[in-house]
Amino acid sequence: AQSVTQLGSHVSVSEGALVLLRCNYSSSVPPYLFWYVQYPNQGLQLLLKYTSAATLVKGINGFEAEFKKSETSFHLTKPSAHMSDAAEYFCAVIWSPGNTPLVFGKGTRLSVIA
Amino acid sequence: DGGITQSPKYLFRKEGQNVTLSCEQNLNHDAMYWYRQDPGQGLRLIYYSQIVNDFQKGDIAEGYSVSREKKESFPLTVTSAQKNPTAFYLCASSSGGSGRAARGTDTQYFGPGTRLTVL
Repeated sequence: AQSVTQLGSHVSVSEGALVLLRCNYSSSVPPYLFWYVQYPNQGLQLLLKYTSAATLVKGINGFEAEFKKSETSFHLTKPSAHMSDAAEYFCAVIWSPGNTPLVFGKGTRLSVIA
Repeated sequence: DGGITQSPKYLFRKEGQNVTLSCEQNLNHDAMYWYRQDPGQGLRLIYYSQIVNDFQKGDIAEGYSVSREKKESFPLTVTSAQKNPTAFYLCASSSGGSGRAARGTDTQYFGPGTRLTVL
């Protein structure tokens, strides 16, 4: 079955350090890939998405992600963590276009230490 | 402002009760979705609807029901058959299309969620 795996349910970084959140998908056909962020007791906000236009995707709040077909990965990075980045992050995929539901990873909670 | 609204924000249910969660969007989106979120499990699909008067079951549809009588509304009923309904429920919508027309339009936008607790 097609799936999305987020490595690490909890990641902790120091303020100003690099943020790296990992996401791998299982499919020979590249899907559409998304990263969402969720703050406590709120809905999900789109950070960025990959739809095959460019392998390096820039999103909001200084985040970016690189699609690597050979590694079936779509890892999320930010050069310098800020306290306000503390949240839960979800990687999600759509396997084919046309209003199909998202398949989510289990999420990674990011903590930022002062 | 365009967006998705969910109500209520918090909902309490007694054992054996049916409750209905509201989801409304004014984005003119064709498709709407309901997801359930439990700690450490990510989001799981309950139901989705690609067009008015049509909907499909998701991975965890048992104990839930939906209707899609209007484009802007997609209410979710949690029935007494759902044995463990305590969770955070999220509604989403997307504009869609198919084939090449769908590229870039599949982004799902989420409402603020409803937290349901069984007493």
